[in-house]
Amino acid sequence: IAGITQAPTSQILAAGRRMTLRCTQDMRHNAMYWYRQDLGLGLRLIHYSNTAGTTGKGEVPDGYSVSRANTDDFPLTLASAVPSQTSVYFCASSDSGRTGSSYNEQFFGPGTRLTVL
Amino acid sequence: GQSLEQPSEVTAVEGAIVQINCTYQTSGFYGLSWYQQHDGGAPTFLSYNALDGLEETGRFSSFLSRSDSYGYLLLQELQMKDSASYFCAYYINTDKLIFGTGTRLQVFP
Repeated sequence: IAGITQAPTSQILAAGRRMTLRCTQDMRHNAMYWYRQDLGLGLRLIHYSNTAGTTGKGEVPDGYSVSRANTDDFPLTLASAVPSQTSVYFCASSDSGRTGSSYNEQFFGPGTRLTVL
Repeated sequence: GQSLEQPSEVTAVEGAIVQINCTYQTSGFYGLSWYQQHDGGAPTFLSYNALDGLEETGRFSSFLSRSDSYGYLLLQELQMKDSASYFCAYYINTDKLIFGTGTRLQVFP
C-alpha cells in the first residue's frame, strides 16, 4: 500500500441499507478526514479524527458515523442510507501538528462513488 | 457565518497567466490553502498561506491578505494539463478545512 486506499471504488445501494466505506493509510498520519463531494458544492467535511481513539463532527455529520480504532483505518458508516447521500466520498489524512507547523497538507484517497436508490 | 467565494469558471490559452480569486468570511481563520482536482481524480495540495504575502512554487503562486479576507492563486505559463478544478479552502482550526465550491479552469491551445 502506498498512500491512502479506499474501498469500494463504487457502490449502488438500496435505500435503508447499511454501508461501510473503508479507508486505510500507510503514512502513519495522526489525522484523518471524510469528505463528500457533490456537483457544484465542493467538498464538505463529514467527520474527522485528530488521533486514534478520538473523532469529531464536521459540517455535515448527520446520517454518518465513524470510528478510529487505530492509526491506519478510518471507516465511515451509513446506518440507513438515503438517496441524498448519493455522492463521491473522499478520505484524507494529514500529519497534523507533529511537525510543529501551523498547517497541514491533506492527502486524499481516490474516492468512493456511492449511489443510493 | 462561514463562506468562501470563488468564480465558477475561468478560461485561458496556453502560455497565458490566470488568476483565481477567493474571498472568505469566517469567525476563525488559520490559513488559506489551494487544491487542484482533475476530472475523476482526487484533490491534490498546491499551496498554503498562513501569513499575508505571496508564496511561490514553480509556475504557481498563492497570495493572502488577511485584512481583506482575500486570496488568489496565480498560474503562469499555462499548460493544457492545468485544465482542472481549483479549490480554495481555509482552516477554521489546525485540523478543520472548509472548501469553496471550486473554479473550473479550461486551458485552450
